[in-house]
Amino acid sequence: QSVLTQPPSVSGAPGQRVTISCTWSSSNIGAGSDVHWYQQVPGTAPKLLIYGNSNRPSGVPDRLSGSKSGTSASLAISGLQAEDEADYYCQSYDSSLSAYVFGGGTKLTVL
Amino acid sequence: EVLLVESGGGLVQPGGSLRLSCAASGFTFSGYPMTWVRQAPGKGLEWVSVISGSGHTIYYADSVQGRFTISRDNSKNTLYLQMNSLRVDDTAVYYCAKKVAGSSGWFDPWGQGTLVTVSS
Repeated sequence: QSVLTQPPSVSGAPGQRVTISCTWSSSNIGAGSDVHWYQQVPGTAPKLLIYGNSNRPSGVPDRLSGSKSGTSASLAISGLQAEDEADYYCQSYDSSLSAYVFGGGTKLTVL
Repeated sequence: EVLLVESGGGLVQPGGSLRLSCAASGFTFSGYPMTWVRQAPGKGLEWVSVISGSGHTIYYADSVQGRFTISRDNSKNTLYLQMNSLRVDDTAVYYCAKKVAGSSGWFDPWGQGTLVTVSS
């Protein structure tokens, strides 16, 4: 059972917009902890998509965006493409445990 | 280009030991914390351990505390993970990653991973 909760799966047709949520308890993740997002294509290493809640590394298209509010964060992907089909993970820091935590992962299927 | 290359994985019996290595290049290795993250077959990502740039500050996940030891040799630009008393549920692909920013930081980039299989 992960500290960060994600839906197991989401799906959308090409061109559509999907969002992936990441929620937690305020007792685990403090207001000062940022949320980061990773994409993992099966069989490959995770790749950073969003850091510091809403920032994109160079090379990540602007149709991907992140946000955080209260005890939840979201990753939005617009203009869905076949290449977006992958697993997505949110990550943060639990200061009470001095431990880094991941969500359980969300499998995105492009219909 | 930042590059991380893990090695040392393999098949080991329950109760056995293994040492993983992560060779780093393309950045000032001693200036960054480094971390290990693992992924059991068909499962999600699980953070294992983190070490500061100097090696003086170390944290572990509860699941490996007392059995795994993270270390680094800044003269060799290499990160290590000594794994003792291995259990079947330690079977996973182990990734090393560079940790960026403060305590609430992120991991980027990641190595390609090395597979550890614990089985009799």
